[in-house]
Amino acid sequence: DAEITQSPRHKITETGRQVTLACHQTWNHNNMFWYRQDLGHGLRLIHYSYGVQDTNKGEVSDGYSVSRSNTEDLPLTLESAASSQTSVYFCASSSGVTDTQYFGPGTRLTVL
Amino acid sequence: GNSVTQMEGPVTLSEEAFLTINCTYTATGYPSLFWYVQYPGEGLQLLLKATKADDKGSNKGFEATYRKETTSFHLEKGSVQVSDSAVYFCALSDFSAGGTSYGKLTFGQGTILTVHP
Repeated sequence: DAEITQSPRHKITETGRQVTLACHQTWNHNNMFWYRQDLGHGLRLIHYSYGVQDTNKGEVSDGYSVSRSNTEDLPLTLESAASSQTSVYFCASSSGVTDTQYFGPGTRLTVL
Repeated sequence: GNSVTQMEGPVTLSEEAFLTINCTYTATGYPSLFWYVQYPGEGLQLLLKATKADDKGSNKGFEATYRKETTSFHLEKGSVQVSDSAVYFCALSDFSAGGTSYGKLTFGQGTILTVHP
């Protein structure tokens, strides 16, 4: 069955370190998204991609970057982790033909 | 810009009670509307959706009707179960706006539902 996976599921890091969160989908979807979930804010869009070599900033993109070298993967990089980036991160994908998004299980990141 | 507002939570109910979670939205164009559910420790799952005015989405006993005149998409269930305890998110997509958008979602803040036996 097609799926979307994220790794690691839990990560603890220190302020200033570079961190990369992985997202891999086997749906063959063109569109991929990264969100962060914080209490009281719901999910907020960080970055998104509509296809290979395409990336776009979302509403909370500062301090984050993504790259899309193939259809299956959209890694999220925190260039220099900050305590304000402690959050749960979700990756999602959609076909682009319909707008239904399918979500991964999430990565809980703690920045000390 | 687009926005979604959900009723304040958390919501606590007894089993078999009636559930309503209010959701209103602001959007340009003609968005699709969604309810997603998040069970403890998991990612979000699509619960139901509606793509145009007066459409009713339904799944697992939950229903929501796309009301363009009141810009609302309230979630209802006639008899909740303990297993319905989760966080519920209302969301909209501007996919339909002129056919040029690709389905970015705007989420409400989420409503925590706890159902007691």
